[in-house]
Amino acid sequence: GENVEQHPSTLSVQEGDSAVIKCTYSDSASNYFPWYKQELGKRPQLIIDIRSNVGEKKDQRIAVTLNKTAKHFSLHITETQPEDSAVYFCAARSFSGSARQLTFGSGTQLTVLP
Amino acid sequence: SAVISQKPSRDICQRGTSLTIQCQVDSQVTMMFWYRQQPGQSLTLIATANQGSEATYESGFVIDKFPISRPNLTFSTLTVSNMSPEDSSIYLCSTWTGGTDTQYFGPGTRLTVL
Repeated sequence: GENVEQHPSTLSVQEGDSAVIKCTYSDSASNYFPWYKQELGKRPQLIIDIRSNVGEKKDQRIAVTLNKTAKHFSLHITETQPEDSAVYFCAARSFSGSARQLTFGSGTQLTVLP
Repeated sequence: SAVISQKPSRDICQRGTSLTIQCQVDSQVTMMFWYRQQPGQSLTLIATANQGSEATYESGFVIDKFPISRPNLTFSTLTVSNMSPEDSSIYLCSTWTGGTDTQYFGPGTRLTVL
């Protein structure tokens, strides 16, 4: 099955700096890569996603890049703000039988210091 | 987007008892997923529930421990049976709306087993 590795596990940045979180996946058939933000005590919320036919996608301060050959994808947050502090999870979608399912990375605790 | 609700939001249970968690979606969906999130950990898929068929369980999860019902296209239940303290986790249901890849999560059920 799919295996997703995520680094770093914790990341502290100064407000206004950029943050980068990296993930690798194992299943070359995976074709959809979402990123979720989870605030303490809340449900995971999708913040951006990318499909395997696209190399980069940007939404305001958030961008995701995908390198299919190397099987890795990254989340970039620019001009970080204290409200960006949360746990971020990457995921990859693979197919198991007739089901589409997400496999999650281990998470990155991002702390933005004011 | 899909609006997903879960009941109960939290519970404290005694060892050896069972708890049934309900998940309601505001639209008809083909697949519903149940995840477990242990304290400080990532999301692990327990099973995929299709309406009208048996749920498909991931490695390490069995039907006797986590029976699932899917009586219609908007509702599912997960039962955590014969609970032990190791079952203390957040349990989340999830689905995606037709025609999109976006997977949404319910608010979760925080279970504490004493």
